[in-house]
Amino acid sequence: KAGVTQTPRYLIKTRGQQVTLSCSPISGHRSVSWYQQTPGQGLQFLFEYFSETQRNKGNFPGRFSGRQFSNSRSEMNVSTLELGDSALYLCASTPGETQYFGPGTRLLVL
Amino acid sequence: KNQVEQSPQSLIILEGKNCTLQCNYTVSPFSNLRWYKQDTGRGPVSLTIMTFSENTKSNGRYTATLDADTKQSSLHITASQLSDSASYICVVSETYGGSQGNLIFGKGTKLSVKP
Repeated sequence: KAGVTQTPRYLIKTRGQQVTLSCSPISGHRSVSWYQQTPGQGLQFLFEYFSETQRNKGNFPGRFSGRQFSNSRSEMNVSTLELGDSALYLCASTPGETQYFGPGTRLLVL
Repeated sequence: KNQVEQSPQSLIILEGKNCTLQCNYTVSPFSNLRWYKQDTGRGPVSLTIMTFSENTKSNGRYTATLDADTKQSSLHITASQLSDSASYICVVSETYGGSQGNLIFGKGTKLSVKP
């Protein structure tokens, strides 16, 4: 089985722009969750989607949004980028308990 | 407040030596505790998952222990290899089979294994 894939792997944007990241879960996994990872804060939960519905949301501003499609692929969008949004964005899919993480998208905001 | 604290923040050991990483948590309710290994530039990979009734679980040279009474866990690495150089993240789940949003992440221990 193919693992979790994320595109793009690297991205450079400027303040004020918006960005869309994509995540394809492992086939058969219906739950996809997104995390932001920074050196100072570690992994922080953004949101989780299950069967196209947002099941849970972390403490991030409304500039961060996401969605899930019928094939379980998920996208997250960040509008009006700020310097502090520079981070590694990870998505994970799960069939139940064990999470399987993708390689992440490294976003740099200049 | 639910928290997961890991120590030490970083650790340097020589190849072939053993080491133990610590994780203390204040999460309640508690469902399970996980250890992940994250290589630089990659996503975390699950090493072990333990429920409150399990005291120890092994995965090759990695052995995790759990004391649910004192809310402490440790990850012991035996006969370390250069490939063990990574960050090790302790994660506690509040509920079973529920939302992944109920996972509380520690900030990790960065392990460097030197030849």
